Amino acid sequence: QTVVTQEPSFSVSPGGTVTLTCGLSSGSVSTSYYPSWYQQTPGQPPRTLIYSTNTRSSGVPDRFSGSILGNKAALTITGAQADDESDYYCVLYMGSGISLFGGGTKLTVL
Amino acid sequence: QLQLQESGPGLVKPSETLSLTCTVSGGSISSSSYFWGWIRQPPGKGLEWIGNIYYSGSTFYNPSLKSRVTISVDTSKNQFSLKVTSVTAADTAMYYCARQIRTGSSKYYFDYWGQGTLLTVSS
Repeated sequence: QTVVTQEPSFSVSPGGTVTLTCGLSSGSVSTSYYPSWYQQTPGQPPRTLIYSTNTRSSGVPDRFSGSILGNKAALTITGAQADDESDYYCVLYMGSGISLFGGGTKLTVL
Repeated sequence: QLQLQESGPGLVKPSETLSLTCTVSGGSISSSSYFWGWIRQPPGKGLEWIGNIYYSGSTFYNPSLKSRVTISVDTSKNQFSLKVTSVTAADTAMYYCARQIRTGSSKYYFDYWGQGTLLTVSS
């Protein structure tokens, strides 16, 4: 069974740039998977950040951007801020009505 | 503003059936533009897509849960529901309902989420 892969954890300094990735256990991620990204802080439901690879959801700061890097989807945070410290999840559309979440990346800003 | 609200018993005994309902307000569930989905998150763990339903009743399930899961819709009440049979402690989780865009050039993302309801499986 296909697994969506993400880095378990990542660390970035305030003001720095970090790129989180979203891959497949078998195969490459392309725009046809309509990758989307979500931010979740403790005790809250996820917040939609990016959809269809690189479209920012309403109200999302432009320091968040999405892309395809090599064979993975990527979420880049440019100029990280303290309140970006969160869990980040990607979702890939696998076809036939099925969507899969990645395991999530815990981002630390320090 | 669209709102989704999960409701459920909070506590279910092992081997029993879990039943949750999501009530949609501020918009119609009978739109061709959306799927309506269930996602869960065990304590301290990641998010897991359970399945989606279209207002017509068409369903789509995570293959890893398909044998135990049923999602249904009641358009007259603007609600959709989740049933999970033969629950174990591993089904203890926060359960979220969400809307997923299904049409247009930008699609297959979840744009509205409920606040979630905690379901504990324990005797």
